[in-house]
Amino acid sequence: GDSVTQMEGPVTLSEEAFLTINCTYTATGYPSLFWYVQYPGEGLQLLLKATKADDKGSNKGFEATYRKETTSFHLEKGSVQVSDSAVYFCALSDSGGSNYKLTFGKGTLLTVNP
Amino acid sequence: GAGVSQSPSNKVTEKGKDVELRCDPISGHTALYWYRQSLGQGLEFLIYFQGNSAPDKSGLPSDRFSAERTGGSVSTLTIQRTQQEDSAVYLCASSSRTQSSYEQYFGPGTRLTVT
Repeated sequence: GDSVTQMEGPVTLSEEAFLTINCTYTATGYPSLFWYVQYPGEGLQLLLKATKADDKGSNKGFEATYRKETTSFHLEKGSVQVSDSAVYFCALSDSGGSNYKLTFGKGTLLTVNP
Repeated sequence: GAGVSQSPSNKVTEKGKDVELRCDPISGHTALYWYRQSLGQGLEFLIYFQGNSAPDKSGLPSDRFSAERTGGSVSTLTIQRTQQEDSAVYLCASSSRTQSSYEQYFGPGTRLTVT
Protein backbone atom coordinates (compact mmCIF):
# COMPACT_ATOMS: atom_id res chain seq x y z
CA GLY A 1 0.00 0.00 0.00
CA ASP A 2 0.85 3.66 0.00
CA SER A 3 3.36 4.97 2.53
CA VAL A 4 5.31 8.10 3.39
CA THR A 5 8.64 8.21 5.20
CA GLN A 6 9.99 11.46 6.57
CA MET A 7 12.81 12.32 8.92
CA GLU A 8 11.32 12.30 12.37
CA GLY A 9 13.51 14.83 14.09
CA PRO A 10 13.19 16.74 16.27
CA VAL A 11 15.05 19.37 14.28
CA THR A 12 16.44 22.39 16.11
CA LEU A 13 17.84 25.32 14.14
CA SER A 14 18.91 28.86 14.75
CA GLU A 15 17.03 31.69 13.07
CA GLU A 16 18.09 32.28 9.44
CA ALA A 17 19.46 28.75 9.09
CA PHE A 18 18.69 26.58 6.05
CA LEU A 19 16.04 23.91 6.51
CA THR A 20 15.63 20.56 4.79
CA ILE A 21 13.13 17.93 5.86
CA ASN A 22 13.40 14.79 3.80
CA CYS A 23 10.33 12.94 2.57
CA THR A 24 10.09 9.85 0.37
CA TYR A 25 6.99 7.96 -0.68
CA THR A 26 5.70 4.68 -2.03
CA ALA A 27 2.52 4.68 -4.10
CA THR A 28 0.90 2.42 -6.65
CA GLY A 29 -0.60 5.20 -8.77
CA TYR A 30 0.31 8.77 -9.58
CA PRO A 31 -0.05 10.59 -6.27
CA SER A 32 -0.38 14.23 -5.43
CA LEU A 33 2.07 15.28 -2.74
CA PHE A 34 1.55 17.68 0.15
CA TRP A 35 3.25 19.29 3.08
CA TYR A 36 0.97 20.12 6.00
CA VAL A 37 1.98 22.19 9.02
CA GLN A 38 0.63 22.14 12.56
CA TYR A 39 1.55 25.21 14.60
CA PRO A 40 1.42 24.91 18.41
CA GLY A 41 -2.20 24.79 19.57
CA GLU A 42 -3.59 25.02 16.04
CA GLY A 43 -5.10 22.67 13.50
CA LEU A 44 -3.49 21.10 10.47
CA GLN A 45 -2.96 23.51 7.57
CA LEU A 46 -1.89 22.88 4.01
CA LEU A 47 1.53 24.45 3.43
CA LEU A 48 2.16 23.50 -0.21
CA LYS A 49 1.35 20.87 -2.79
CA ALA A 50 2.44 19.39 -6.11
CA THR A 51 0.20 17.30 -8.31
CA LYS A 52 2.57 15.88 -10.91
CA ALA A 53 6.20 15.03 -11.48
CA ASP A 54 8.66 17.96 -11.59
CA ASP A 55 6.07 20.35 -10.16
CA LYS A 56 7.40 22.67 -7.48
CA GLY A 57 5.10 23.70 -4.66
CA SER A 58 5.91 26.87 -2.75
CA ASN A 59 4.43 28.99 0.00
CA LYS A 60 5.74 31.29 2.75
CA GLY A 61 9.32 30.79 1.56
CA PHE A 62 9.04 27.00 1.70
CA GLU A 63 9.56 24.90 -1.43
CA ALA A 64 9.33 21.25 -2.39
CA THR A 65 9.80 19.60 -5.77
CA TYR A 66 7.99 16.41 -6.84
CA ARG A 67 10.78 14.04 -7.89
CA LYS A 68 9.31 10.90 -9.45
CA GLU A 69 12.70 9.33 -10.21
CA THR A 70 13.68 9.40 -6.54
CA THR A 71 10.10 9.25 -5.17
CA SER A 72 10.86 12.25 -3.00
CA PHE A 73 9.29 15.54 -1.97
CA HIS A 74 11.82 17.21 0.33
CA LEU A 75 10.81 20.42 2.09
CA GLU A 76 13.29 23.32 2.04
CA LYS A 77 13.48 26.87 3.27
CA GLY A 78 16.46 29.12 2.85
CA SER A 79 16.13 31.12 6.06
CA VAL A 80 13.89 29.92 8.87
CA GLN A 81 12.22 32.16 11.41
CA VAL A 82 11.13 31.54 15.00
CA SER A 83 7.54 31.62 13.75
CA ASP A 84 8.24 28.54 11.60
CA SER A 85 8.45 26.39 14.73
CA ALA A 86 5.81 23.70 14.20
CA VAL A 87 5.28 20.07 13.27
CA TYR A 88 5.55 19.37 9.53
CA PHE A 89 3.82 16.43 7.87
CA CYS A 90 4.51 15.08 4.42
CA ALA A 91 1.50 13.40 2.81
CA LEU A 92 0.29 11.85 -0.40
CA SER A 93 -3.07 11.40 -2.02
CA ASP A 94 -3.20 8.62 -4.57
CA SER A 95 -5.27 9.81 -7.48
CA GLY A 96 -5.45 6.24 -8.76
CA GLY A 97 -8.13 5.61 -6.18
CA SER A 98 -11.43 7.36 -5.97
CA ASN A 99 -11.40 8.89 -2.53
CA TYR A 100 -8.19 10.93 -2.39
CA LYS A 101 -7.57 10.02 1.23
CA LEU A 102 -4.30 11.28 2.65
CA THR A 103 -1.47 9.06 3.80
CA PHE A 104 0.83 10.92 6.20
CA GLY A 105 4.37 10.62 7.38
CA LYS A 106 5.03 10.56 11.13
CA GLY A 107 5.72 14.29 11.33
CA THR A 108 8.85 16.32 12.04
CA LEU A 109 9.00 18.74 14.95
CA LEU A 110 10.94 21.87 14.04
CA THR A 111 12.11 24.30 16.69
CA VAL A 112 13.74 27.55 15.62
CA ASN A 113 15.66 29.46 18.26
CA PRO A 114 16.29 33.20 18.09
CA GLY B 1 -16.14 31.83 5.37
CA ALA B 2 -16.61 29.26 8.11
CA GLY B 3 -14.14 26.44 8.23
CA VAL B 4 -14.53 22.88 9.44
CA SER B 5 -15.74 22.75 13.03
CA GLN B 6 -15.63 19.88 15.48
CA SER B 7 -17.18 19.30 18.86
CA PRO B 8 -16.41 18.80 21.60
CA SER B 9 -12.87 20.14 21.55
CA ASN B 10 -11.97 17.93 24.48
CA LYS B 11 -13.62 14.80 25.83
CA VAL B 12 -12.63 12.78 28.86
CA THR B 13 -14.46 9.52 29.31
CA GLU B 14 -14.20 6.41 31.39
CA LYS B 15 -13.14 3.13 29.87
CA GLY B 16 -16.15 1.22 28.60
CA LYS B 17 -18.33 4.26 27.90
CA ASP B 18 -19.56 5.27 24.45
CA VAL B 19 -18.62 8.62 22.91
CA GLU B 20 -19.85 10.64 19.94
CA LEU B 21 -17.69 13.13 18.09
CA ARG B 22 -19.22 15.64 15.72
CA CYS B 23 -17.92 17.27 12.55
CA ASP B 24 -19.44 20.16 10.60
CA PRO B 25 -17.74 20.40 7.22
CA ILE B 26 -17.38 23.46 5.05
CA SER B 27 -20.71 24.20 3.40
CA GLY B 28 -20.97 22.60 -0.03
CA HIS B 29 -18.09 20.17 0.48
CA THR B 30 -19.30 16.74 -0.57
CA ALA B 31 -16.29 14.75 0.62
CA LEU B 32 -15.63 14.26 4.34
CA TYR B 33 -12.80 12.39 6.03
CA TRP B 34 -12.02 11.29 9.58
CA TYR B 35 -8.43 10.83 10.72
CA ARG B 36 -6.87 9.96 14.07
CA GLN B 37 -3.68 11.47 15.42
CA SER B 38 -1.94 9.57 18.18
CA LEU B 39 1.57 9.58 19.59
CA GLY B 40 2.37 6.04 18.60
CA GLN B 41 0.70 5.86 15.19
CA GLY B 42 0.89 9.38 13.80
CA LEU B 43 -1.95 10.50 11.53
CA GLU B 44 -4.15 7.67 10.30
CA PHE B 45 -7.09 7.65 7.92
CA LEU B 46 -10.28 6.23 9.40
CA ILE B 47 -13.21 6.68 7.00
CA TYR B 48 -14.27 8.62 3.90
CA PHE B 49 -17.73 9.89 3.01
CA GLN B 50 -18.93 11.02 -0.36
CA GLY B 51 -22.31 12.57 0.29
CA ASN B 52 -24.02 10.35 2.85
CA SER B 53 -22.36 7.12 1.81
CA ALA B 54 -19.05 5.75 3.05
CA PRO B 55 -17.31 3.92 0.22
CA ASP B 56 -14.09 3.54 2.22
CA LYS B 57 -14.19 2.45 5.85
CA SER B 58 -10.89 0.63 5.65
CA GLY B 59 -9.20 2.66 8.39
CA LEU B 60 -11.69 1.98 11.17
CA PRO B 61 -9.62 0.03 13.72
CA SER B 62 -12.40 -2.20 15.07
CA ASP B 63 -16.14 -2.77 14.98
CA ARG B 64 -16.43 -0.51 18.04
CA PHE B 65 -15.93 2.41 15.65
CA SER B 66 -18.72 3.63 13.39
CA ALA B 67 -19.62 6.83 11.62
CA GLU B 68 -22.53 8.32 9.78
CA ARG B 69 -23.25 11.41 7.78
CA THR B 70 -26.65 12.96 7.30
CA GLY B 71 -27.93 15.48 4.78
CA GLY B 72 -24.58 15.45 3.06
CA SER B 73 -23.30 17.64 5.87
CA VAL B 74 -22.77 16.84 9.56
CA SER B 75 -20.93 13.65 10.45
CA THR B 76 -20.76 11.79 13.74
CA LEU B 77 -18.01 9.36 14.72
CA THR B 78 -19.10 6.96 17.45
CA ILE B 79 -16.78 4.86 19.56
CA GLN B 80 -18.46 2.20 21.66
CA ARG B 81 -17.01 0.65 24.80
CA THR B 82 -14.00 2.96 24.72
CA GLN B 83 -10.56 1.62 25.53
CA GLN B 84 -7.44 3.45 26.66
CA GLU B 85 -5.82 2.90 23.28
CA ASP B 86 -8.61 4.99 21.73
CA SER B 87 -7.11 8.09 23.37
CA ALA B 88 -6.06 10.37 20.52
CA VAL B 89 -6.97 13.52 18.63
CA TYR B 90 -9.72 12.85 16.10
CA LEU B 91 -9.54 15.10 13.07
CA CYS B 92 -12.19 15.76 10.48
CA ALA B 93 -11.49 17.19 7.02
CA SER B 94 -13.69 18.15 4.11
CA SER B 95 -13.05 18.66 0.44
CA SER B 96 -14.87 19.93 -2.60
CA ARG B 97 -14.88 17.40 -5.40
CA THR B 98 -14.91 20.28 -7.85
CA GLN B 99 -11.37 21.31 -6.94
CA SER B 100 -8.78 19.81 -9.24
CA SER B 101 -6.40 19.02 -6.44
CA TYR B 102 -9.06 17.84 -3.98
CA GLU B 103 -7.45 19.85 -1.19
CA GLN B 104 -8.64 18.84 2.26
CA TYR B 105 -9.44 21.40 4.94
CA PHE B 106 -9.03 20.23 8.50
CA GLY B 107 -10.96 21.03 11.64
CA PRO B 108 -9.27 21.74 14.99
CA GLY B 109 -9.85 18.20 16.23
CA THR B 110 -11.39 16.55 19.27
CA ARG B 111 -8.94 15.40 21.92
CA LEU B 112 -10.30 12.18 23.43
CA THR B 113 -8.88 10.89 26.69
CA VAL B 114 -10.04 7.52 28.00
CA THR B 115 -9.30 7.00 31.69
